[in-house]
Amino acid sequence: DIVMTQSPDSLAVSLGERATINCKSSQSVLYSSNKKNYLAWYQQKPGHPPKLLISWAFTRDSGVPDRFSGSGSGTDFTLTISSLQAEDVAVYYCQQYYSTPLTFGGGTKVEIK
Amino acid sequence: EVQLLASGGGLVQPGGSLRLSCAASGFTFSSNAMSWVRQAPGKGLEWVSSDSGHSTYYADSVKGRFTISRDNSKNTLFLQMNSLRAEDTAVYYCVKNSGGSCYSGLGYWGQGTLVTVSS
Repeated sequence: DIVMTQSPDSLAVSLGERATINCKSSQSVLYSSNKKNYLAWYQQKPGHPPKLLISWAFTRDSGVPDRFSGSGSGTDFTLTISSLQAEDVAVYYCQQYYSTPLTFGGGTKVEIK
Repeated sequence: EVQLLASGGGLVQPGGSLRLSCAASGFTFSSNAMSWVRQAPGKGLEWVSSDSGHSTYYADSVKGRFTISRDNSKNTLFLQMNSLRAEDTAVYYCVKNSGGSCYSGLGYWGQGTLVTVSS
């Protein structure tokens, strides 16, 4: 199984400042034949189901604000919120879909400082 | 507009069974992979099962106890859960994959249905 490790577990950021979340996979999720990273990021607000933010490591889903960006390749990935807004308070999860079992990171809770 | 309405959750005794249903609309159900993901109270996300229409996949924790299936004529996804254990207690989300393959992002999540396994 591919283990996904997120860091930090939580972070507090001032409004308008940058938030950075890291995700590391125990093996590469880069598929050599198509050069795609099978890595997604989700946002879950309290009392709501998760929402897909980014797939293929850096492709924003429709309607996702451009302050959210994904980067990385292979085993190391980053989700960046360039200018934190109040509505971004949530738990963020990374997930690999390179192989089954599909696995998630433990989540990173983002709060306002 | 995509809609996923999950139902069938509730309180069940250990060893019991439940069948979850997920009524889908707003997209071409038959050509889309679908998944179930669960979240225990206060915990993170755990993938349970996926169905591409051609292949099915299961987490080891539910293999042999849970069965995913679909009725494309009714745009409905199912999860038959047998031999339930306390550790199966969770909100179960019905999820539309981003494409026809199970190896794709989990593009849209329904509201979920709570399953509680307790005596």
